[in-house]
Parts: sequence; C-alpha cells; structure tokens
Amino acid sequence: EPEVTQTPSHQVTQMGQEVILRCVPISNHLYFYWYRQILGQKVEFLVSFYNNEISEKSEIFDDQFSVERPDGSNFTLKIRSTKLEDSAMYFCASSEGGTAITDTQYFGPGTRLTVL
Amino acid sequence: LAKTTQPISMDSYEGQEVNITCSHNNIATNDYITWYQQFPSQGPRFIIQGYKTKVTNEVASLFIPADRKSSTLSLPRVSLSDTAVYYCLVGAGDSSYKLIFGSGTRLLVRP
Repeated sequence: EPEVTQTPSHQVTQMGQEVILRCVPISNHLYFYWYRQILGQKVEFLVSFYNNEISEKSEIFDDQFSVERPDGSNFTLKIRSTKLEDSAMYFCASSEGGTAITDTQYFGPGTRLTVL
Repeated sequence: LAKTTQPISMDSYEGQEVNITCSHNNIATNDYITWYQQFPSQGPRFIIQGYKTKVTNEVASLFIPADRKSSTLSLPRVSLSDTAVYYCLVGAGDSSYKLIFGSGTRLLVRP
C-alpha cells in the first residue's frame, strides 16, 4: 500500500536555526498538508497546498514558516528561525482530492523536532 | 465544522467489543462523520466514514442513528494493538481542506 514518508524521523536544532522537514506524498495525490502535534496536545492543522500554492493556512503558520514542492515528489516545510515552542511532531499528509472530510488524508510517520 | 464530544478515555480487555460514542448535536445536513486512529508517535490513520445508518469495513463499524446527533465506532474483539487515540471528526463534503482534531478518546486495551 502506498504511504507518505517523512525525513528525518528526528531533528534536533538550536534556537534560531533554520530547519527543513521533508515529505514524499503518495504519488498520485494532488493535495498536501502539514500538521503538528505538541507533546500531549491535539493534532493542529498548519497548511494545505495545491497546484503549487498555499490553499489554506492556520494562525500558527506565520512568516517563519514556508512550504515548497521543489520537484515532482518532495514537499517541504521550512521554519526559518526556530523557537523553543516549535518543538513538536510534524506530520505531513496527502490526499487525492481537497475536501477534508470526504477525501481521506493519509499521514506520514512524522518528524520529531526538538529545539534546544 | 460541528463540535464533537467523546469520552476522554476508555479501558477494555483483549477480545472484547469496544464502542466509542461521539456526540455531535450541531451536525449539519451535508456533514459526514469520520473516525481516525492515532498510535503513539505516529500520524493519524483513517478508520471509517459514514453519513447515516451503518457502515462496516474490515477494521470497524460505524453506527449512526436517524437523527445523526451521535455516532458510535465499534471495534470488534480488540487486541492490545488497538490501544490508541480515536478521533471523531464531523464536517461537510464541501468544507475546507483542513481536518480539525479534538482531544479524542484514549483507548487502553489490557491483556
């Protein structure tokens, strides 16, 4: 069964550093997402991406965050200057269609980001 | 998206049937009900979706009464590996891209 993959599985960085989290969505999917989950808290939506542009973003997704699909397979999340509160699990997801409830989103295993 | 309420946690034993009920009093006419499962340190995984009556797949059944103000996820004969957090989500087929997760129900299956 096709699956979403993410690298690295764990990233440790110093506060103020830039990090890039990478994802390879399922190949025939057209919609891509990033979510995050702070330890012990809810899964939170960050951003959705379709046709090479952001289609929706949350309040969390401020100017420090950016997303890119640099080639036909990768989807990246960049945090320009990490803060302690950015420490969380970051999940990439993809779907064939863009309607959240009726188009199943398939999640990757996550990248655990630790900001020191 | 309609607000959902589900128990914070549930305990069960291997081999038992587990029923997790979700309340969604403000469900709209075109809303669907979807359940996701999340194992520790993993991403959420789609389990089942329904609109009304009963839906069954290889993993679970979803029971939705006629008024659709609640729904019950039924897991037959659970095993230890079913220990996870289960999320009920309600939203319209034409709504936005994002999934909004609540706190979910933490199911613990004991030997």
